Amino acid sequence: EAQVTQNPRYLITVTGKKLTVTCSQNMNHEYMSWYRQDPGLGLRQIYYSMNVEVTDKGDVPEGYKVSRKEKRNFPLILESPSPNQTSLYFCASSLGLSLGDTQYFGPGTRLTVL
Amino acid sequence: AQSVAQPEDQVNVAEGNPLTVKCTYSVSGNPYLFWYVQYPNRGLQFLLKYITGDNLVKGSYGFEAEFNKSQTSFHLKKPSALVSDSALYFCAVTDKLIFGTGTRLQVFP
Repeated sequence: EAQVTQNPRYLITVTGKKLTVTCSQNMNHEYMSWYRQDPGLGLRQIYYSMNVEVTDKGDVPEGYKVSRKEKRNFPLILESPSPNQTSLYFCASSLGLSLGDTQYFGPGTRLTVL
Repeated sequence: AQSVAQPEDQVNVAEGNPLTVKCTYSVSGNPYLFWYVQYPNRGLQFLLKYITGDNLVKGSYGFEAEFNKSQTSFHLKKPSALVSDSALYFCAVTDKLIFGTGTRLQVFP
């Protein structure tokens, strides 16, 4: 089954404790991205990747890191989480970034930073 | 700057009645327009998109959307709402997906 998976689905952590949210897709997609969803703000893009070893900042990259060492994986890293990073996070992937390629989303990761 | 607006935080409709969820956009060049739906505790699911061609786009679950270039709108519609359509709906523009703030659709029995 074609899908985007994220782990963990739920995470409660404390300020400053490094964490990684994994994202994996099995569709051989080149384009992957991370979004955060906050009430009243919709979804905002954090980082995106056009292909292996090619990443770029989205609209809200501060406090986050990403890597793309393999085509299928695109982990989101919070080196020193803070309470304002409490949010619902989504990973997405698509074939590419042209002609309106459809992005497919993972199930989400709800992160709480205390 | 490219942006999208969903002017209604919530839309309430009775089951069986037609529904409309509004979206207006501001982009330079040709717009790529999308609608996604989010059910409770689920990720976003793709409903439909407009790239070019026919202004009326048909999508999943009986939804359709009409692209109106002069009004820069891309409203989501369904002729007969179901209770199961109750969810959060997002309009998005461009291939990098700039999202609106979302509209909660509530369909009452």
